[in-house]
Order: sequence, then structure tokens, then C-alpha cells
Amino acid sequence: DAMVIQNPRYQVTQFGKPVTLSCSQTLNHNVMYWYQQKSSQAPKLLFHYYDKDFNNEADTPDNFQSRRPNTSFCFLDIRSPGLGDAAMYLCATSPRLAGTQETQYFGPGTRLLVL
Amino acid sequence: GENVEQHPSTLSVQEGDSAVIKCTYSDSASNYFPWYKQELGKGPQLIIDIRSNVGEKKDQRIAVTLNKTAKHFSLHITETQPEDSAVYFCAASHPRGGKLIFGQGTELSVKP
Repeated sequence: DAMVIQNPRYQVTQFGKPVTLSCSQTLNHNVMYWYQQKSSQAPKLLFHYYDKDFNNEADTPDNFQSRRPNTSFCFLDIRSPGLGDAAMYLCATSPRLAGTQETQYFGPGTRLLVL
Repeated sequence: GENVEQHPSTLSVQEGDSAVIKCTYSDSASNYFPWYKQELGKGPQLIIDIRSNVGEKKDQRIAVTLNKTAKHFSLHITETQPEDSAVYFCAASHPRGGKLIFGQGTELSVKP
């Protein structure tokens, strides 16, 4: 029973060509997160939505945007991918914010390759 | 802000032995500490978590201990099996801010 679903699992794009990654959840959680994970590193939070409230991390580049049209879906848009944006992109959800001792559940990730 | 240090970065054990991974955190107000297992090419999977009002929690072969005074918490895996081989991340969250702060990860290798 997939709870956090990410599509596609692998995405190849060209340098500078916009790309969109998608995430959906069947848990009806209020919070959805996007993380970037590079090889052998911990996940790095890009931004999160608490309901429709968007919260950007201070060091997230402007090149990264997100949309959450409804509770179930969240999208990560990379406007002009550079070679340095090649990474695994992880979506996670939680009932409420992590500060309230809530567990975050991760999807399987989308591996992005930039040519 | 919160900082989480995790050790060791790599750990190799024989099948059947125990494995221990340790994390320290800097902000005494942090109150939630999950552990994630990440297999190659997959997303992190929660394996156990502990909240600040508890000192120890166990789930079959996995246990976590929390020492709030010393600001450290540890993951203990007993009777390790080859399928335990993966990267393990600890994390801490603070009541304010709503973020998980991850440790650097430990690559565990269990040799048959």
C-alpha cells in the first residue's frame, strides 16, 4: 500500500530545460516536504507546505519552486536545472509539523539527471 | 540553530553481532528523535523514534536510548543480518520551527 508516491522514479533533463517532479499521498497529511539529497549526504530540506501555507528555507535557490493544488498532491518545479541540481529529490509528509513530535514519512524519491 | 552529529560514518560488523550508532544534538529543547534506514536508491524509511519524555524504546532487534542531560541518543541493533546493511540517519526536531535536522549518516555493512 503505497502511502507517499513519487513520479517519475527517474528523470533525465537537459541543462536549462524546466522539469517538474510530482508527489502524491494517500495519508491525508497536512504537511508536505521536499528534500534534496546528494550522494552520501543527508537529505536537505528545500521547503514545506503546511496546508496551503508555503514555507521556503532561507538557502533554497530561487530556481526551485513548488505548488500544492490540493491536500494530496505537491509538485517541485526546477525552472532552469544546472548540473549541480542532479540529485535524489525526496517528498515527505507528516500529520502536523515535525516540531510537534510528528513522524515524517518519505516517498521512494525521484533521481534527477541533468545532461 | 540545532546541530546533529552522528558517529561513526561507516560501520562494519559480522552477521549476528550488535551494531551501535551514536548521535549528539546541540539544542536541549529538541524533543523528538527519529531514526531512518535508507537502502540504495530508495527513500528513507522510519525504523524507530523516541520522544523526549522516554529514556528507551525497543522494537524487536532495534532499540533507541536517549540521554537528555548529555544530549545524545543511540541506535542499537542486535543479532544483525545482511539485510540490515544500509545507511542509517538520526534526526532531531525542535518544538519551534517544525524541521527535522539530520545527522550525517552511518553506512552499516553486515558481513555474512
